[in-house]
Amino acid sequence: KAGVTQTPRYLIKTRGQQVTLSCSPISGHRSVSWYQQTPGQGLQFLFEYFSETQRNKGNFPGRFSGRQFSNSRSEMNVSTLELGDSALYLCASSSSFGQGLSGNTIYFGEGSWLTVV
Amino acid sequence: AQSVSQHNHHVILSEAASLELGCNYSYGGTVNLFWYVQYPGQHLQLLLKYFSGDPLVKGIKGFEAEFIKSKFSFNLRKPSVQWSDTAEYFCAVTSLIDSNYQLIWGAGTKLIIKP
Repeated sequence: KAGVTQTPRYLIKTRGQQVTLSCSPISGHRSVSWYQQTPGQGLQFLFEYFSETQRNKGNFPGRFSGRQFSNSRSEMNVSTLELGDSALYLCASSSSFGQGLSGNTIYFGEGSWLTVV
Repeated sequence: AQSVSQHNHHVILSEAASLELGCNYSYGGTVNLFWYVQYPGQHLQLLLKYFSGDPLVKGIKGFEAEFIKSKFSFNLRKPSVQWSDTAEYFCAVTSLIDSNYQLIWGAGTKLIIKP
C-alpha cells in the first residue's frame, strides 16, 4: 500500500510569509504526527493528531499550527516565517496515537524541505 | 526534561568491522525504545523496537539492540557492517508522564562505512 505522502517536497519562502504543508497518511492510519528535523538536533516533535483532534503538542511557538481532516489527511501551517524555521518537516502516521507508546510502528514520509530567505 | 543522548555524532568504520552505537535516556519510568535509520535520500524507517519482554531485540538487516534498564541504555549493535549500512541512525524513546506521552529523539549518528 502507498506510504506517507508529503507535499510539497521543496519550497522557498521569504521571512514573514506563511506556509502550509500537507500530509496524507497510510490508508487506515488515523494518527498523524509532525516533526521538525534540523542538522545536529535530530527530530523535534511539533504535534500529533488523531481522529481530527490534537492529542499532544511539543514546545513550539503558536506560529506553528496544524489540523487533521475527516479522511485523516493533515496540514501544518507556519505563520510569520523566520530564518530559523528552515528545516525538513516530517510527517509520520500510525494506526494508533501515542507515538509508539503501545509499541506501534510509526511510518515516516520523505518530508518537506522548507528554506526561509 | 526527558532527553535522549547519542554520544557519537559521526562514526567511520571499514566493512566487516563490528558496530556499536550508544543511546542513553534520562527517564526512569516505563519506556518504549526505538532505533530508526535514514539511508541517503530516503525516509526514516524503523530498524527495531523494544516495549516489553526479552531485552535483546533483533531488527532488520542483522541489527540488534540491548535494553539495559539499570544503565538507561539501548545500544545498537551489528557484528559485521556492510557498505550499504552507511546512513544516519536515530534512537528514540517514548515515555508516559502524568498521562502525557512524547517520543523523544536523539540527535542522530552518521555512520560511514568505507568499502
